[in-house]
Amino acid sequence: DAEITQSPRHKITETGRQVTLACHQTWNHNNMFWYRQDLGHGLRLIHYSYGVQDTNKGEVSDGYSVSRSNTEDLPLTLESAASSQTSVYFCASSPGQKETQYFGPGTRLLVL
Amino acid sequence: DAKTTQPPSMDCAEGRAANLPCNHSTISGNEYVYWYRQIHSQGPQYIIHGLKNNETNEMASLIITEDRKSSTLILPHATLRDTAVYYCIVRTGANNLFFGTGTRLTVIP
Repeated sequence: DAEITQSPRHKITETGRQVTLACHQTWNHNNMFWYRQDLGHGLRLIHYSYGVQDTNKGEVSDGYSVSRSNTEDLPLTLESAASSQTSVYFCASSPGQKETQYFGPGTRLLVL
Repeated sequence: DAKTTQPPSMDCAEGRAANLPCNHSTISGNEYVYWYRQIHSQGPQYIIHGLKNNETNEMASLIITEDRKSSTLILPHATLRDTAVYYCIVRTGANNLFFGTGTRLTVIP
């Protein structure tokens, strides 16, 4: 069955290190999204992509970057991890801009 | 996207219908109502969405008032596995889903 996966599911890193979180979907969806979820804030959009080579900033993009070299993957990179980036990260995809978004299982990141 | 108002928590007896209300008084004509749920530590799960008409699928029913200012998600026979936070979202198709704080539904045995 088609699906969306994230890896790793849990990650502990140190302040200042570069970290990359993977997101892979097999639905052949054009749109992919990265959110973070923190207590008291719900889900907030970090970056999104409408297709290969397309990337856009979301509400909380500072300190994060993404690249889209193929349809299936949208890796999220924390250039220099900070303790404020400790969070749960969710990836999502949708066939088009007005279509339903489907979410991955999440990655719990702890920055020490 | 219009903002929504949901009760912070609700209880429901197992096997009974769970009716989760949502107010979206500022909704505009082209905004859809979406419902997602999030079971502890998992990714948000899509449930159902609608524009004007009531909708039903294998998971739930969505009842939208005629003026579209409020809606109700109905889980017809709640089970313990339906315990989750339920989010009501209105969107025009923009890229961002504003989840808010949702309703924490607890299904009681």
